[in-house]
Amino acid sequence: GENVEQHPSTLSVQEGDSAVIKCTYSDSASNYFPWYKQELGKRPQLIIDIRSNVGEKKDQRIAVTLNKTAKHFSLHITETQPEDSAVYFCAAGSISNFGNEKLTFGTGTRLTIIP
Amino acid sequence: DTEVTQTPKHLVMGMTNKKSLKCEQHMGHRAMYWYKQKAKKPPELMFVYSYEKLSINESVPSRFSPECPNSSLLNLHLHALQPEDSALYLCASSAYNEQFFGPGTRLTVL
Repeated sequence: GENVEQHPSTLSVQEGDSAVIKCTYSDSASNYFPWYKQELGKRPQLIIDIRSNVGEKKDQRIAVTLNKTAKHFSLHITETQPEDSAVYFCAAGSISNFGNEKLTFGTGTRLTIIP
Repeated sequence: DTEVTQTPKHLVMGMTNKKSLKCEQHMGHRAMYWYKQKAKKPPELMFVYSYEKLSINESVPSRFSPECPNSSLLNLHLHALQPEDSALYLCASSAYNEQFFGPGTRLTVL
């Protein structure tokens, strides 16, 4: 089965600086890579995702890059703000026409933005 | 309605009790999921329903019994749980690939 490793487990960044979280996956059949943000006591929220037919995707201050050959993908947050403080999970799965894809999650990164 | 809702928010039950968790979505999503999340851990997939049929069971103990009465509703029936089953139980739904999570039910088994 799929195995997803995520690093670092904790990350502290000065407000305004950039944060980078990295994940690797094992199953070459995986072709869908979402990132979730989970604030304390809240639900995981999808913040960005990427499919294997593209190498990079941006949404305002958030970007995700994918290297299929090396089987790794990364989340980049620029101009960090205090509200970016949360636990971030990467995940890997296969695109399904039935909407019943199985996601394997990384172990999470606790991001703290220092004012 | 663009959210997944779950009830109850909190549940405390004894090991001999029977209870149910409920999940609802009105986004027309074709797949619904149950996840279990322990503190400081990622969500762990339990069950997947696709078009109201169980498509994935991640070898979950039979004391957890899922049910999908219709395309908008998903239940998780609980019976004879153990203290180690205490966790946040998350429901999610998806149309194609993006999974959207509900707020979860915080379950405590005494």
